[in-house]
Amino acid sequence: GQSLEQPSEVTAVEGAIVQINCTYQTSGFYGLSWYQQHDGGAPTFLSYNALDGLEETGRFSSFLSRSDSYGYLLLQELQMKDSASYFCAVRVDSSYKLIFGSGTRLLVRP
Amino acid sequence: EAGVTQFPSHSVIEKGQTVTLRCDPISGHDNLYWYRRVMGKEIKFLLHFVKESKQDESGMPNNRFLAERTGGTYSTLKVQPAELEDSGVYFCASSQLLGQVPLGYTFGSGTRLTVV
Repeated sequence: GQSLEQPSEVTAVEGAIVQINCTYQTSGFYGLSWYQQHDGGAPTFLSYNALDGLEETGRFSSFLSRSDSYGYLLLQELQMKDSASYFCAVRVDSSYKLIFGSGTRLLVRP
Repeated sequence: EAGVTQFPSHSVIEKGQTVTLRCDPISGHDNLYWYRRVMGKEIKFLLHFVKESKQDESGMPNNRFLAERTGGTYSTLKVQPAELEDSGVYFCASSQLLGQVPLGYTFGSGTRLTVV
């Protein structure tokens, strides 16, 4: 089967840094994506890593290690509006079909 | 640019009834995907259209689900007859590829389906 593991919940303080990990076991691997979803809203694309290393986009960074089947999303200078669910997703083949994790609910406290 | 639009946003139906969900992708996006999230679990792939053709329907749970994409524009997902386990949030997404680098999907806000 195919599976992605990520923590179900993370709590952090406003202004802090938080890391959300994702490990995967899939039949194929083309890349790892991260999506943010606020309650009742659409999942929003954050980042995509196809190669090992760190990708930085503003306050958000994403890391991939293909040899470890592992990635993480790093959120810096946390803001209250960052409270949301974060999903990692693996692109398993050339079709761009994604296999998602169950999501990590991030709660940012004042 | 208008986003991906889904309607209805919510639907409550009785077991055994039929429901049709609609998705309007971003204009010009050839790729359209349906996903479903059940009971707070992972978002699961249902199927993928390229224009009007079904590229991959390996995630469709059973033959009670029928997806169409007439003329390669909007898509519908019909559930007939609906069962209790079909409850969940149904997401539609579209994408346009530039070279070999995916820009990521653009998701709609989903249709929350409740079967009672």
